[in-house]
Amino acid sequence: QKEVEQNSGPLSVPEGAIASLNCTYSDRVSQSFFWYRQYSGKSPELIMSIYSNGDKEDGRFTAQLNKASQYVSLLIRDSQPSDSATYLCAVPVWGRGSTLGRLYFGRGTQLTVWP
Amino acid sequence: NAGVMQNPRHLVRRRGQEARLRCSPMKGHSHVYWYRQLPEEGLKFMVYLQKENIIDESGMPKERFSAEFPKEGPSILRIQQVVRGDSAAYFCASSPPGGAREQYFGPGTRLTVT
Repeated sequence: QKEVEQNSGPLSVPEGAIASLNCTYSDRVSQSFFWYRQYSGKSPELIMSIYSNGDKEDGRFTAQLNKASQYVSLLIRDSQPSDSATYLCAVPVWGRGSTLGRLYFGRGTQLTVWP
Repeated sequence: NAGVMQNPRHLVRRRGQEARLRCSPMKGHSHVYWYRQLPEEGLKFMVYLQKENIIDESGMPKERFSAEFPKEGPSILRIQQVVRGDSAAYFCASSPPGGAREQYFGPGTRLTVT
């Protein structure tokens, strides 16, 4: 059973601060990683994907990947109250050199950004 | 460009009835995935389909659950003889063929079994 672990939270930060969300995974062959945001009562929304070691920036979001440590993180700069949601780390199952399709999700980290 | 569509958005069934959940993938997407989210739990993979093929059903309960994605029309997740434990949010996701397969989710169907 592949495992995806996230810092359990909940995480609470003031408006304008940096929110840091962490995720570790057990499958060493994983090559792609996704962050989803899920507002209460809504469906998951893909906000970041990362495939290479290092950083990937998209607006206020930065994903960081370290395959050797099997660690992926998401930084949210200048956090806004509208960022308050549950953030899910997702890792596809890999086999035979490509993804087999299904995603394993962490339990999620609930983020609250207070004004 | 329409996103993933699911219907109904809310479904109430009595114990023992059948539930049918429908999913139409995004335009250009040929891969469909079903996930279930139980209250206070994470998202769990159920099944992965392409047109007329079940690729991976390793997450499907052995009994009462089935899925299809016919050549024409939406993908359907069918739950027979529902029980209270089936109450959950059921999400469909789709992805384009090939590549790293980023998956995009529909709005979900909230199933309540009374």
